[in-house]
Amino acid sequence: DTAVSQTPKYLVTQMGNDKSIKCEQNLGHDTMYWYKQDSKKFLKIMFSYNNKELIINETVPNRFSPKSPDKAHLNLHINSLELGDSAVYFCASSKYLATQYFGPGTRLLVL
Amino acid sequence: KQEVTQIPAALSVPEGENLVLNCSFTDSAIYNLQWFRQDPGKGLTSLLLIQSSQREQTSGRLNASLDKSSGRSTLYIAASQPGDSATYLCAVRADTGNQFYFGTGTSLTVIP
Repeated sequence: DTAVSQTPKYLVTQMGNDKSIKCEQNLGHDTMYWYKQDSKKFLKIMFSYNNKELIINETVPNRFSPKSPDKAHLNLHINSLELGDSAVYFCASSKYLATQYFGPGTRLLVL
Repeated sequence: KQEVTQIPAALSVPEGENLVLNCSFTDSAIYNLQWFRQDPGKGLTSLLLIQSSQREQTSGRLNASLDKSSGRSTLYIAASQPGDSATYLCAVRADTGNQFYFGTGTSLTVIP
């Protein structure tokens, strides 16, 4: 059984498009995260939700908007995609302040 | 702002050797520190989590230590195996709980 799942795994799109990445966890965790891993493999946190409430909102363009419809889901919507948005996006979940469990990643390529 | 650095950036060892990976952080006000491994093209797998009040954690051949006051953690891998080849990342959570910072990673290759 997949613990943290993301869809799609790969996303190739044109500049200017709007796209969404979905994340679901079946671990019963109350906290979910979005990370971006750039071409140099550096991981940076973007957002975190605890019990559907936004608790971390790093300095990312407001073209990125997270949405948490319930504690098991945290989706990431990106408007007006730019070349620099190409990266691998990871979703993770945890009990609050505890060990994080990561999804397999979504590889986004903006052309 | 917290900065997390890992040295070396890359390490290559023969199978069976014991090795140490280093992680240093600039702000000692941390809640916990977590070690992960990342295989190529894959997500991260949690290895060990050390709370700020703890000095070390062990899991199988892995032992992680934490010296909060000096801003350092080490991951000790005993009797390395080719299957240990991966990138190892450390990450610190700020003591407010609401910030999480990853290190730069160490790419480990264990040669059969």
